[in-house]
Amino acid sequence: DAGITQSPRHKVTETGTPVTLRCHQTENHRYMYWYRQDPGHGLRLIHYSYGVKDTDKGEVSDGYSVSRSKTEDFLLTLESATSSQTSVYFCAISDLKNIQYFGAGTRLSVL
Amino acid sequence: GQQLNQSPQSMFIQEGEDVSMNCTSSSIFNTWLWYKQDPGEGPVLLIALYKAGELTSNGRLTAQFGITRKDSFLNISASIPSDVGIYFCAGPPKQGGADGLTFGKGTHLIIQP
Repeated sequence: DAGITQSPRHKVTETGTPVTLRCHQTENHRYMYWYRQDPGHGLRLIHYSYGVKDTDKGEVSDGYSVSRSKTEDFLLTLESATSSQTSVYFCAISDLKNIQYFGAGTRLSVL
Repeated sequence: GQQLNQSPQSMFIQEGEDVSMNCTSSSIFNTWLWYKQDPGEGPVLLIALYKAGELTSNGRLTAQFGITRKDSFLNISASIPSDVGIYFCAGPPKQGGADGLTFGKGTHLIIQP
């Protein structure tokens, strides 16, 4: 997994509760990304970061926020989880060649 | 946004057969990437292509960057059971940008014994 750790790997939560997913890398790559993967949609970009405290929105950013206070950590927060946010979430990191390396994923169920 | 169309959606083949899949876009890509995803895991990079017309191999896998820069092809020769999985094409939608990849919806490869 190219030095990428996602936590937790599985989580079940209730509608309306806040949830934070963590991505930790040991590669010192500048760029980090959060994607969600859903049947019929493939992988879609939620947010990305191009440096500490530098983040931007992706294709499906509504309902999500991110933070990056250190190079190695990129947090994804669902402020108030909804059932439509049930998905598998992947973190990815990138060097300068646009090639992205993915973590093992977090399976989130919102009941 | 830009979309990548992968075909076929699914392939049912016999062990030992060769496999071909492709990915097309309505706009130009300057990099094409092919990933494989096993159940319960994240996508793993197989091959990266950077130049139009480029042909690159990785073991039994061969990928090509289309001349028009709007398509790419992945071939697997002499398939084996561990080739089962979902194959994704991907590319950066903006030249030089590091603002995420656009992914196709994947080709499911199923190998029948």
